[in-house]
Amino acid sequence: DVKVTQSSRYLVKRTGEKVFLECVQDMDHENMFWYRQDPGLGLRLIYFSYDVKMKEKGDIPEGYSVSREKKERFSLILESASTNQTSMYLCASSFLAYGYTFGSGTRLTVV
Amino acid sequence: AQSVTQLDSQVPVFEEAPVELRCNYSSSVSVYLFWYVQYPNQGLQLLLKYLSGSTLVKGINGFEAEFNKSQTSFHLRKPSVHISDTAEYFCAVSIYGGSQGNLIFGKGTKLSVKP
Repeated sequence: DVKVTQSSRYLVKRTGEKVFLECVQDMDHENMFWYRQDPGLGLRLIYFSYDVKMKEKGDIPEGYSVSREKKERFSLILESASTNQTSMYLCASSFLAYGYTFGSGTRLTVV
Repeated sequence: AQSVTQLDSQVPVFEEAPVELRCNYSSSVSVYLFWYVQYPNQGLQLLLKYLSGSTLVKGINGFEAEFNKSQTSFHLRKPSVHISDTAEYFCAVSIYGGSQGNLIFGKGTKLSVKP
């Protein structure tokens, strides 16, 4: 089975900190995605990547950046964390359009 | 552009009763269809998917869904639910033959199974 691993399940950071969320997949998938999930708003796409060093903005990229230096790793970066970035962050990977495999999620709290 | 509508935000049901979670989609092109489940404080797990072939798709945990092209629906059903089915369920679509694989998600339906 494809496994998508997010480095932290729970994270607490201070306002203004630079935050790195790491995601690794082990099945050679081209496509990787970062979402945030908030009550009542569903899943919102932040960024995605369909190849190494390629990235595309999703619906809510402001305040975030990403890095994909290796095929298996897709990092989400909060350049200067703010309280409105407190959320559940979900990473996923896919082969073509055949559906995602998700990681377990990282619940980030910014204080 | 594609869109997904989950018609019920919350569905309460008693244990051992049947349940149907409704999903309608809008698309000008052919799509693949998916249902995911999310248990509290976890990521999303694939329940089932329709890519092609039989319109009745069986998934894990006794769930099934039927693709209805004329009604653009992909409703999820289970004949008898358990307490452990309490979770949030998401319907999603992707573009048939698409290489980038973006999924469009519905807002989710919270299934609450009561004893």
